Amino acid sequence: QQPVQSPQAVILREGEDAVINCSSSKALYSVHWYRQKHGEAPVFLMILLKGGEQKGHDKISASFNEKKQQSSLYLTASQLSYSGTYFCGTGRSNSGYALNFGKGTSLLVTP
Amino acid sequence: DGGITQSPKYLFRKEGQNVTLSCEQNLNHDAMYWYRQDPGQGLRLIYYSQIVNDFQKGDIAEGYSVSREKKESFPLTVTSAQKNPTAFYLCASSIVTGNNYGYTFGSGTRLTVV
Repeated sequence: QQPVQSPQAVILREGEDAVINCSSSKALYSVHWYRQKHGEAPVFLMILLKGGEQKGHDKISASFNEKKQQSSLYLTASQLSYSGTYFCGTGRSNSGYALNFGKGTSLLVTP
Repeated sequence: DGGITQSPKYLFRKEGQNVTLSCEQNLNHDAMYWYRQDPGQGLRLIYYSQIVNDFQKGDIAEGYSVSREKKESFPLTVTSAQKNPTAFYLCASSIVTGNNYGYTFGSGTRLTVV
């Protein structure tokens, strides 16, 4: 089951904040976040496990709400380098390591 | 440096041909995965393998085949049965122990049917 991401696209000015959401109709055991720049491979940002934890990576952080079956990625004080497509990936089971990915959120940060 | 190498970067296939996409990793990862990426569709799982000589179908396995004879290698064959193979193909790998199993992706192969 492919997780649903929102919004599909967002345009920011440098320094603004953004939130990208990822939700699933099935129980979530883990959520991954990746960023892909045009023509390049996706790059792993972080993984969150069930338990409602929040993790951070520089000015990019994420939360995971197991009960609501959703995760949110927070980008604060955005930089030009944050531009790209962000994908969430959700575990397909509580024991396997294969992921279902959402369709992606395109983020463009302008000067 | 460790990483995943996909080759070729671009591949052109004629109708009715089988083609094989290469994926090699030197990260000592047990698991390897193949995803297909189409515009606006995200990444869809084709096949995955968590151990040598074993692999499982993903959501869109029809028209594709794989092998996992070595830990380092996970080639994907796109057969003539795949009716719409034009896409960007990504190979990834990960550990299978613990919880920090972020994927490492290769740089991809863009396949075009001519």
